[in-house]
Amino acid sequence: GDSVTQMEGPVTLSEEAFLTINCTYTATGYPSLFWYVQYPGEGLQLLLKATKADDKGSNKGFEATYRKETTSFHLEKGSVQVSDSAVYFCALSDNNRKLIWGLGTSLAVNP
Amino acid sequence: SAVISQKPSRDICQRGTSLTIQCQVDSQVTMMFWYRQQPGQSLTLIATANQGSEATYESGFVIDKFPISRPNLTFSTLTVSNMSPEDSSIYLCSVVVAEETQYFGPGTRLLVL
Repeated sequence: GDSVTQMEGPVTLSEEAFLTINCTYTATGYPSLFWYVQYPGEGLQLLLKATKADDKGSNKGFEATYRKETTSFHLEKGSVQVSDSAVYFCALSDNNRKLIWGLGTSLAVNP
Repeated sequence: SAVISQKPSRDICQRGTSLTIQCQVDSQVTMMFWYRQQPGQSLTLIATANQGSEATYESGFVIDKFPISRPNLTFSTLTVSNMSPEDSSIYLCSVVVAEETQYFGPGTRLLVL
């Protein structure tokens, strides 16, 4: 069945460092891909998405490109801030619009 | 997008009791889901709440334990029945809006003693 494999955390970075969180997937068909973020004590928020191959999703300085050839959707940000400290989830939407989730990657950014 | 509210936001319950969680959306949506997120873990889909028919449950979840109602296109309830400490979790509802994007409610934090 469909699945999402996400880089294990926790990830600890200094402010202004470059961030990459790896996400790869297996799927039949052509899923849509998502990154969700969960800030401490808060609910899940959609960070960005891509619905077809080579699409780039972007939001709040974060980017991810839908790479069909490598079945990947890695999350990147050029310069992280303390306020980016959160748990990041990669997910894909299957044919039934159900979300298949990665396990989440905890990011801590130190000043 | 969609604005989703959940009630209660949190609760502490005794084992053996039941709690009903409400999910209200500010617009009519076709697809609505209920998830569970146990501490420090990812999300697990409980069921798809179908308007006008019985919910569709995922493997490991049954209607007797998690009855769901969906009386219209803007509202749903999830009941956690005969609770045990293992049911302590965050329960979230989500809706599908445009282009398969799911939006989530703020969650209900449940602690069972």
